[in-house]
This record gives sequence, C-alpha cells and structure tokens, in this order.
Amino acid sequence: EAGVAQSPRYKIIEKRQSVAFWCNPISGHATLYWYQQILGQGPKLLIQFQNNGVVDDSQLPKDRFSAERLKGVDSTLKIQPAKLEDSAVYLCASSSKASYTGELFFGEGSRLTVL
Amino acid sequence: QKEVEQNSGPLSVPEGAIASLNCTYSDRGSQSFFWYRQYSGKSPELIMFIYSNGDKEDGRFTAQLNKASQYVSLLIRDSQPSDSATYLCARSSSSNTGKLIFGQGTTLQVKP
Repeated sequence: EAGVAQSPRYKIIEKRQSVAFWCNPISGHATLYWYQQILGQGPKLLIQFQNNGVVDDSQLPKDRFSAERLKGVDSTLKIQPAKLEDSAVYLCASSSKASYTGELFFGEGSRLTVL
Repeated sequence: QKEVEQNSGPLSVPEGAIASLNCTYSDRGSQSFFWYRQYSGKSPELIMFIYSNGDKEDGRFTAQLNKASQYVSLLIRDSQPSDSATYLCARSSSSNTGKLIFGQGTTLQVKP
C-alpha cells in the first residue's frame, strides 16, 4: 500500500514570496490533515479535511495560508506571502474513519526555509 | 498552560536500561492518547495508543494512563541505540476525536 505522498520535499524562498505544497493521501482515507512542525516543537494542526469539507481550521493563519482538497483526494497548502516564522516542516497526514486506533499516517514532509 | 506537556530532554539512558517518558495534559475530556516516535529528519510514526486507565503492553513498550492525574507515560524496556529518537505524546481533542494535539516531544538518547 502506497503511503502519503508529499512534494516538494524541500523549498527555499525569500520572505513575501509564495509557495505551495501538495499532498496525496493513502487511497481510501477520508480524513486529511496539514500539520506545521517548527524545529524543536511538536506538530501543530493547521487544517483538517473530511472528504472535501473542512472540519477544523482554527489554527490556520487565514490572512496568508490557504488550503483546498478538491474532489476529496489530494490537497494543496499555499502560503502567500511567506514570513520568516513560516520556516518549518509541513506534514500531511491521513487517516481512515474506520480505523480503530485513530492512527494518523504521515508523509515525509515538506521542509520550508524562508530567508 | 500547554495542552500537552512533555520534558524536552534529552533523556539519556544506557543500552539495556528502562527509559521512562512522561506526559501531562490539561483537557479532562480527552479520551485517547498516543505515543509517536520521530527519528531525526523523518515523519512521526505511531508506536502505542491507549484509551483506558492502567497499563498496555506491546513488546518492549508499555503505555500507562491515569486519567484522574491527567498523566500518560511510556516505558521502553531493554533500550536499544535504535530507540534513540524524539517521542511525541498526543491526545485526541474532546470536541473532535479525529484531531490529535501533540506535545513538544522528548528526545531519548540510548548510549551503547
């Protein structure tokens, strides 16, 4: 079974530029998450989708971050304009609603450096 | 007050010893608790989950939950150098069980 795919793996941009990250979840997983992990910290949820609807985006900085999940499969997270404090790893995860464990399956992450 | 609190460490133990990792949480409504392991530069992976008070064992790992004290722990017996990683404690949100809230993680170093 293929895991969660993310791209790009690494991105370096200057502040005020824009960037987009892509995620393809595990096939059949209805729930998709975007987490932000700053160095030395635990992952922080940015947005949670159930199919193509938003369940939780309470910690998404909506003035600069946007995310969509068209057709309930893959998703894109965009940052525009980027700030220095956006330097982090952006982790996409997916889970099956039927999962007893509630386990999240994470992708390898997209590491963003803002200069 | 942090929602999930962990000592960032590093926690250093000799090979073969028991490593004890601790976590406290603030929301009494939390139902499920998770321990994820994260190797440097890699993504988190689930190693244990626990729902009920008491102990849950899986191989060399034992998770302990005390809801009255709002405390979760992970014991790693016979620690190996390959266990060296950051261990993230997470709880499910009481209002959205699909949402996990993570602590900052404890770095474990197992020395040969």
